[in-house]
Amino acid sequence: ILNVEQSPQSLHVQEGDSTNFTCSFPSSNFYALHWYRWETAKSPEALFVMTLNGDEKKKGRISATLNTKEGYSYLYIKGSQPEDSATYLCASGGQYGNKLVFGAGTILRVKS
Amino acid sequence: EAQVTQNPRYLITVTGKKLTVTCSQNMNHEYMSWYRQDPGLGLRQIYYSMNVEVTDKGDVPEGYKVSRKEKRNFPLILESPSPNQTSLYFCASSFSLGTLGDTQYFGPGTRLTVL
Repeated sequence: ILNVEQSPQSLHVQEGDSTNFTCSFPSSNFYALHWYRWETAKSPEALFVMTLNGDEKKKGRISATLNTKEGYSYLYIKGSQPEDSATYLCASGGQYGNKLVFGAGTILRVKS
Repeated sequence: EAQVTQNPRYLITVTGKKLTVTCSQNMNHEYMSWYRQDPGLGLRQIYYSMNVEVTDKGDVPEGYKVSRKEKRNFPLILESPSPNQTSLYFCASSFSLGTLGDTQYFGPGTRLTVL
């Protein structure tokens, strides 16, 4: 993998469903993996920054894991709510010099 | 309140008319960056700065200039805008000196349309 890739591109779930998305990144020269939540008409807001293989972070119903050896991170949302509807962006750093490279994002829509 | 501000928030201009989008942060951050967001492409970095007077190209620097004369300000300059620079622009800052392990704080965005 040369770029940061996110899947799925979009996701529609019902309120109460749990869901997860994937971020894949080049594993060589990895330094940090960021997750951001971006609501329409607002700025991206940081959810997590992870640097160590095996890292797990949690904020309320949202959690993330990191596997630097195989180059992927999962973001989990437990019991999705309509207010979770947003685009979720991941970004990886270290492989590209002093730059963060973002994936294209996963659009989540939660129906009530 | 800790924040990143951008101005203007919305701008419609014509091809070739020089413009500047300002970015300012009040968190004493060393690392500042400009991104553009286009549908289906995610955020792409235009330029970044690791400190005052230190700037470097991101992934899509063509047609843009930046300067970092003061720590708090990082303006984005389009000397001769073209329609393909129509986009949503975000400024961001973070504390670290480019180690990439620190959260980036984003400004509110500038919606630019070049006719």
